[in-house]
Parts: sequence; structure tokens; C-alpha cells
Amino acid sequence: QVQLQQSGAELVKPGTSVKLSCKASGYTFTSNHMNWIKQTTGQGLEWIGIINPGSGGTSYNVKFKGKATLTVDKSSSTAFMQLSSLTPEDSAVYYCARYGNSGFDYWGQGVMVTVSS
Amino acid sequence: DIQMTQSPASLSASLEEIVTITCQASQDIGNYLSWYQQKLGKSPQLLIHSATSLADGVPSRFSGSRSGTQYSLKINRLQVEDTGIYYCLQHYSAPLTFGSGTKLEIK
Repeated sequence: QVQLQQSGAELVKPGTSVKLSCKASGYTFTSNHMNWIKQTTGQGLEWIGIINPGSGGTSYNVKFKGKATLTVDKSSSTAFMQLSSLTPEDSAVYYCARYGNSGFDYWGQGVMVTVSS
Repeated sequence: DIQMTQSPASLSASLEEIVTITCQASQDIGNYLSWYQQKLGKSPQLLIHSATSLADGVPSRFSGSRSGTQYSLKINRLQVEDTGIYYCLQHYSAPLTFGSGTKLEIK
């Protein structure tokens, strides 16, 4: 069965970076694009960007360019998102979600990132 | 960016009632529209893809429809487990955009 297992909650200081992971299993990792989504109470769901695990090609929401960097490691079927220059506004739950069946058909469990000094 | 205007923001309905949630796209997005249900503390789950197609394992009381740039999610015979927040998503063009969500509670 398809599973997306995300890394654990992060408490990080302002100005630093954090790298989140999303390990895929149960399907051929390079067959489906992977999305990343931010969820906050105030802003709802925001699409950050998408990566093609086969080619490494990416597309970003302009709002998150310079903030988020998407990469993959095909050998471990893992997608990564690095968030840089963190501020309290980056505190949120972040999800990875597979693009399949004309939608986001599988989601990770989400990871809470808290930016606080 | 394509704006997805979702309504209502919240609604309360009784068991076995029929409810409808709508998303209005700011421009043509074809059938590149999907619906998601998010239960408290959980990840969103795909309900409807391609505007009208039921996702695998989703009860048939859920259905999606389209009229021009207006998209609707209909829930027949509301059940207790349907409580949650519902979102639409357009994936016609980047940046992909979600509706603001509809919080559904059962009376």
C-alpha cells in the first residue's frame, strides 16, 4: 500500500534552516510527482511547489521561491523540502502529497514546524 | 493566480440531510478540480477528482458536479463521520490554489 512517511516535528530558531523529509513506499517513486503544502490556521492550505522525482525538475509557487527548496533522493525514495531563513510566519504544518489520479491521492501525516527563539 | 472562492465557510446539518459545498473559479480550469476532506488532526483525503469522479474507496453518497466555472460537492444522507473541513483544489495552472475551506458539523 502507498505510504508517505514524514519526519518528526521540528522546533527551530529564527534565521536558521530546516530540512523535512517524506519517504515514499508502496509504489514506484519516480512514477508520480510530489507536492508540498503548507497549512496554517489563518491561511488554510497553500501549495508550495512540486517536484518530478524522475528528473528532479521543480515548479514553485512564487510566494515560496527563495524560501523552499525541493529535492529528492531516488535511492531511498525520499523527497525533501528545505526551508531557509525561518521566521515565525513559517510556523505551520507541512505536508507532502503525491500527485496521482488527477489529484493529490496520498498525503503524508504532516509535520509541525515551530519557529521560536 | 487562479482564485477559488469556496462557500459556505461553515454549515451545520442534520443526519441524513443533503448538503452542497461550492467553489467558484476565477477563470476556466476545465475539469482540473478535486475535493478533499480533512478530519480533525488528520491529513486531507481525496474525495473527488476530475471534478466529478469519485476517488477509490469513497462512499457513493459523495458526488461532484460542474457548471461552467462553478464546482459543487454534494453529500447525500449525511453521516456522523462526514464531520470535518472540505477543500477544493484547482490544478489547472500553477500556482495550484485551494479554496478557503468549509467546516461541516452535524447537528
